[in-house]
Amino acid sequence: NAGVTQTPKFQVLKTGQSMTLQCAQDMNHNSMYWYRQDPGMGLRLIYYSASEGTTDKGEVPNGYNVSRLNKREFSLRLESAAPSQTSVYFCASSGYRDLILSYNEQFFGPGTRLTVL
Amino acid sequence: LAKTTQPISMDSYEGQEVNITCSHNNIATNDYITWYQQFPSQGPRFIIQGYKTKVTNEVASLFIPADRKSSTLSLPRVSLSDTAVYYCLVGAAGGATNKLIFGTGTLLAVQP
Repeated sequence: NAGVTQTPKFQVLKTGQSMTLQCAQDMNHNSMYWYRQDPGMGLRLIYYSASEGTTDKGEVPNGYNVSRLNKREFSLRLESAAPSQTSVYFCASSGYRDLILSYNEQFFGPGTRLTVL
Repeated sequence: LAKTTQPISMDSYEGQEVNITCSHNNIATNDYITWYQQFPSQGPRFIIQGYKTKVTNEVASLFIPADRKSSTLSLPRVSLSDTAVYYCLVGAAGGATNKLIFGTGTLLAVQP
């Protein structure tokens, strides 16, 4: 199993450009998440999807949109990139652990390093 | 939301036991305590989770006192490869996802 995969690994954008970050998981998890991590900081939740067909805002949703394409895939879109969105973006998923739906045990992808000039 | 407080950094030497303490004074009845590890340029990795008393797995032990207002992650006999940032989180295991807050974590530096 590949776990959680993210593409691309690196991306440089100019201010105002748009792009979509892709995420896929092969663990049959119901829940998926997008976080951003700025240098020296912890992770902040952007959006999450508790199950296929649903999405909700996290702590820092402004400037982003998401799509839960199916159970496996959860994409993050920047419509008009800004320098403040320069960050490392992590996708994660979670599912059942010992028959309990555990949001606390999340599996993370390798991240996408995004620079907006 | 239960906020957590943990040391910004800690130093240790190979072979020592390391204990990282986290305080969470406002922990709710249905909250679990979870610890993650993050290496540079990687996503966080789940280490251990507990509700009360002691939990042990192949990687670490988690000690939680009766009042649950703090917890201690114990790493036995650390090696250089344990150098990482360790995050303490508090949240309901089956509850709303946006209650899971990553703070700035504790940077553990293991020296030879």
